[in-house]
Amino acid sequence: SQQGEEDPQALSIQEGENATMNCSYKTSINNLQWYRQNSGRGLVHLILIRSNEREKHSGRLRVTLDTSKKSSSLLITASRAADTASYFCATVYLNNAGNMLTFGGGTRLMVKP
Amino acid sequence: KAGVTQTPRYLIKTRGQQVTLSCSPISGHRSVSWYQQTPGQGLQFLFEYFSETQRNKGNFPGRFSGRQFSNSRSEMNVSTLELGDSALYLCASSPGGRILAGANEQFFGPGTRLTVL
Repeated sequence: SQQGEEDPQALSIQEGENATMNCSYKTSINNLQWYRQNSGRGLVHLILIRSNEREKHSGRLRVTLDTSKKSSSLLITASRAADTASYFCATVYLNNAGNMLTFGGGTRLMVKP
Repeated sequence: KAGVTQTPRYLIKTRGQQVTLSCSPISGHRSVSWYQQTPGQGLQFLFEYFSETQRNKGNFPGRFSGRQFSNSRSEMNVSTLELGDSALYLCASSPGGRILAGANEQFFGPGTRLTVL
């Protein structure tokens, strides 16, 4: 079963607008990661935020983590048509000894030119 | 470095058959994980291998098995295929090693799309 939920399930915006995706999870985590997937291909790692971090930036991406609410958000600023993809959050349980990722259901983002 | 490679990329099988999928991790990576992606269940963890040992296992029936070789290459096998096994199977690698603060980023291959008829 999936660790958490992502909201919204689908998002359609115009190029240049910002896109915000939210992720909620159920149990204590070690870290949370965001991945992008283009139409049924492999996933690409975007950003990792550890449980003791609250915010992280990478280029046009900004991720926040609120462990008290068990939630995270991914903000893509100044979106481009090339950002059209599915975005997944993935969590690593606090006591997991390895690399097991538990994925959310994903947000399908469409950026219209 | 070359990325994660998976073979074959596409596969069509019939119910009851078995299938073996292969994954070659990024050079130097010792951890290989497998995931199943379906429209209904999303992305689900199958298992993880590190240094030829299964380190984690997801909630899948025993028909799903895997192994890792000394060169870190990994295979997964599905026996007695069912229609519901139709999915995109993704392999991911990471450096592995001692996990001090949880998993590091994982590098995914392009996947093997399995269709069971």
